[in-house]
Amino acid sequence: DAGVIQSPRHEVTEMGQEVTLRCKPISGHNSLFWYRQTMMRGLELLIYFNNNVPIDDSGMPEDRFSAKMPNASFSTLKIQPSEPRDSAVYFCASNPDIGIPGELFFGEGSRLTVL
Amino acid sequence: GENVEQHPSTLSVQEGDSAVIKCTYSDSASNYFPWYKQELGKRPQLIIDIRSNVGEKKDQRIAVTLNKTAKHFSLHITETQPEDSAVYFCAAWDSGTYKYIFGTGTRLKVLA
Repeated sequence: DAGVIQSPRHEVTEMGQEVTLRCKPISGHNSLFWYRQTMMRGLELLIYFNNNVPIDDSGMPEDRFSAKMPNASFSTLKIQPSEPRDSAVYFCASNPDIGIPGELFFGEGSRLTVL
Repeated sequence: GENVEQHPSTLSVQEGDSAVIKCTYSDSASNYFPWYKQELGKRPQLIIDIRSNVGEKKDQRIAVTLNKTAKHFSLHITETQPEDSAVYFCAAWDSGTYKYIFGTGTRLKVLA
């Protein structure tokens, strides 16, 4: 398996623009997590899914952020409109079974810069 | 909800010395504690983990200890090498919410 695949790897955009980050989890994994990483706040859990259903989105910073998982092999994180303070690395991670604790497999991350 | 605190934020050691990173957690429902290593510009990767029914686990130069009563766990790296230089994150898995909550990270620098 190629692992968790994220795109784009780098995104530079201007304030106010819409940003869409994409993630393909490892095949057969039923849970998916979106994290945001900054120097100041470390790894923050934004939202997670189980069997394509959002379980907890309490970490989503505000209404400008939304996430979907239309099927088992694809998830998106959307920011609209984007702001400079959204600049961060966004990681997607998957796990075989949400109810059994184990390794989180992270993607390479999407580095977002909002000017 | 679960809160994980990690110390120190930065740590410098001489090559060959040991390094210890400590974490505390707040929720007694947490029962799984992984440690991740993140090299510069790379993704976090699991290096060792421990479950609440075990007090200590070792894998070559890396060991983790868990004190459930005190709600703290530690990562021990012996005979450090330059390639151990990275940011290390502890985490706790909350069995009630299924969340993995991460500490703020420790930047370890091994000086040659």
